[in-house]
Amino acid sequence: DVKVTQSSRYLVKRTGEKVFLECVQDMDHENMFWYRQDPGLGLRLIYFSYDVKMKEKGDIPEGYSVSREKKERFSLILESASTNQTSMYLCASSFPGDSNQPQHFGDGTRLSIL
Amino acid sequence: GDSVTQMEGPVTLSEEAFLTINCTYTATGYPSLFWYVQYPGEGLQLLLKATKADDKGSNKGFEATYRKETTSFHLEKGSVQVSDSAVYFCALSDRSGYSTLTFGKGTMLLVSP
Repeated sequence: DVKVTQSSRYLVKRTGEKVFLECVQDMDHENMFWYRQDPGLGLRLIYFSYDVKMKEKGDIPEGYSVSREKKERFSLILESASTNQTSMYLCASSFPGDSNQPQHFGDGTRLSIL
Repeated sequence: GDSVTQMEGPVTLSEEAFLTINCTYTATGYPSLFWYVQYPGEGLQLLLKATKADDKGSNKGFEATYRKETTSFHLEKGSVQVSDSAVYFCALSDRSGYSTLTFGKGTMLLVSP
């Protein structure tokens, strides 16, 4: 079974801090994704990566950056956390190219910015 | 751009009732369609998928048929269980090569004994 592991289930940080959310997958997937999930808004794509050191902006990239130094690891960075970034963050991975390939999700990190 | 519209929840049913969750989409071309389920405290899991018109996806008693003429992918189950209580997301995948997903807002299902 594919395993996507997010480093923290719950995280509390302060406004202005630099925050790192880590995600690791064990299935040698080329594609990795970061979403945020908010009530009434569903899932929105922040960034995705289709190869090491490659990244593409999703629908809501403002205030975020990402890093993909190794194939199995994809990090989401909040450069200067703000209260409106309090949310559930979900990481996913998939094989590339074919749109039939499903995405496999981690259990999420619930981030609170105080 | 692409979009997915789901019926708003929560949907509340008694055990063994019939379930329908409506999903319609707007997309250029011919996307693949998915239903994902999220149980409390967990991430999303793929429930079923369909990749072309008239395909029927099925899993765990759930079914959905890709209807190109009505741009719909409604989720159905003949007899729900308490353990089916979860949030259900309809999604489409474009064919840009990156397999990015566009999600609906989710529909919460609550099944009582």
